[in-house]
Amino acid sequence: QKEVEQNSGPLSVPEGAIASLNCTYSDRGSQSFFWYRQYSGKSPELIMFIYSNGDKEDGRFTAQLNKASQYVSLLIRDSQPSDSATYLCAVKTSYDKVIFGPGTSLSVIP
Amino acid sequence: GAVVSQHPSWVICKSGTSVKIECRSLDFQATTMFWYRQFPKQSLMLMATSNEGSKATYEQGVEKDKFLINHASLTLSTLTVTSAHPEDSSFYICSARQFYNEQFFGPGTRLTVL
Repeated sequence: QKEVEQNSGPLSVPEGAIASLNCTYSDRGSQSFFWYRQYSGKSPELIMFIYSNGDKEDGRFTAQLNKASQYVSLLIRDSQPSDSATYLCAVKTSYDKVIFGPGTSLSVIP
Repeated sequence: GAVVSQHPSWVICKSGTSVKIECRSLDFQATTMFWYRQFPKQSLMLMATSNEGSKATYEQGVEKDKFLINHASLTLSTLTVTSAHPEDSSFYICSARQFYNEQFFGPGTRLTVL
């Protein structure tokens, strides 16, 4: 089992819709969870991080964490074409390493 | 957010030569720096973790003699790809972390070995 898994995508949503990105992880002792956005040929940039169960909102982005289910998600409301990118889920494991998922490619159609 | 720089942003070299990539934290002291490699359409793979003043910890399958990492100060880490070969061509990205806070990534270095 891979340590961090994501929907393979690509995920296509119309402009203005909600994009939902999912991630599961295997290390039950993981404490910190991150979502990064990566444009083609560029380095990842941090969008959000979440430590506690529940929801965390920042503008159009909402991260949701369920430690019991070992599941973390990212919702993007009012999706814009500029949101088209690969979204990487990253998990800081109990042995203090940040492991990245394979990424989900999101395409927002105007 | 914190700023991490990398130099060079891209490099082309001949097979058999060595290439050094620098990673700097510009506005904070990085107790830990990480080096990742990313092949096209793949995710980031952690190569090694380095703490200032100590030897780097390499991930399984990463040759420590080929990928030399030095973290001599709290703001600088270097990755040297020794005797580079075409299969080493990749996007190399560093990240820096202060204590146990989140990681910030450099812009990456694209290495092409001819």
